[in-house]
Amino acid sequence: AQSVAQPEDQVNVAEGNPLTVKCTYSVSGNPYLFWYVQYPNRGLQFLLKYITGDNLVKGSYGFEAEFNKSQTSFHLKKPSALVSDSALYFCAVNNAGNMLTFGGGTRLMVKP
Amino acid sequence: DTAVSQTPKYLVTQMGNDKSIKCEQNLGHDTMYWYKQDSKKFLKIMFSYNNKELIINETVPNRFSPKSPDKAHLNLHINSLELGDSAVYFCASSRGLAGAYEQYFGPGTRLTVT
Repeated sequence: AQSVAQPEDQVNVAEGNPLTVKCTYSVSGNPYLFWYVQYPNRGLQFLLKYITGDNLVKGSYGFEAEFNKSQTSFHLKKPSALVSDSALYFCAVNNAGNMLTFGGGTRLMVKP
Repeated sequence: DTAVSQTPKYLVTQMGNDKSIKCEQNLGHDTMYWYKQDSKKFLKIMFSYNNKELIINETVPNRFSPKSPDKAHLNLHINSLELGDSAVYFCASSRGLAGAYEQYFGPGTRLTVT
């Protein structure tokens, strides 16, 4: 069975400061890892993914994530947060099958 | 030119009724999904279809019946609605079955059962 944990229900950060949203996973075999963002009353939008190769992956809107195999983590980062980044962020894992398993989500609040 | 669209956006109905939600994607994708997001925002897959064939049925009550008339459409019919069915239902699509493909989500259908 595969699972994803997002240990923080909410992350608060001031605009302009760096942000990190944490994600750890459990899966057999090599993981495919994803980050999605959900704005209020909207569907999920794909941000970035790790499949193989460089552990640091870059995605939309200036976000990046670092894959750490030894710590089974895939934390989402951004060097300088914007108020418009405030949203619900989901980490997800797939082990090359067809079933994407999502974490519980982390609400990011960026204050001006 | 919406990539994945769902209708209706809101659905309010009484217990025991039957309702349908429609989904269409214009991305040319082979695989489509239904997800349920509960009131705590937890997302869980319900079904996936590949080229109109059911691939995943994740322990969903048989009151829920998906139907894919063609690759671009995946509809969800729900019989005998219950209070616990209240949730937001998302349709999604991806290029194929392989786990490396990202999924594209529709805007969601908020179902309220009274």
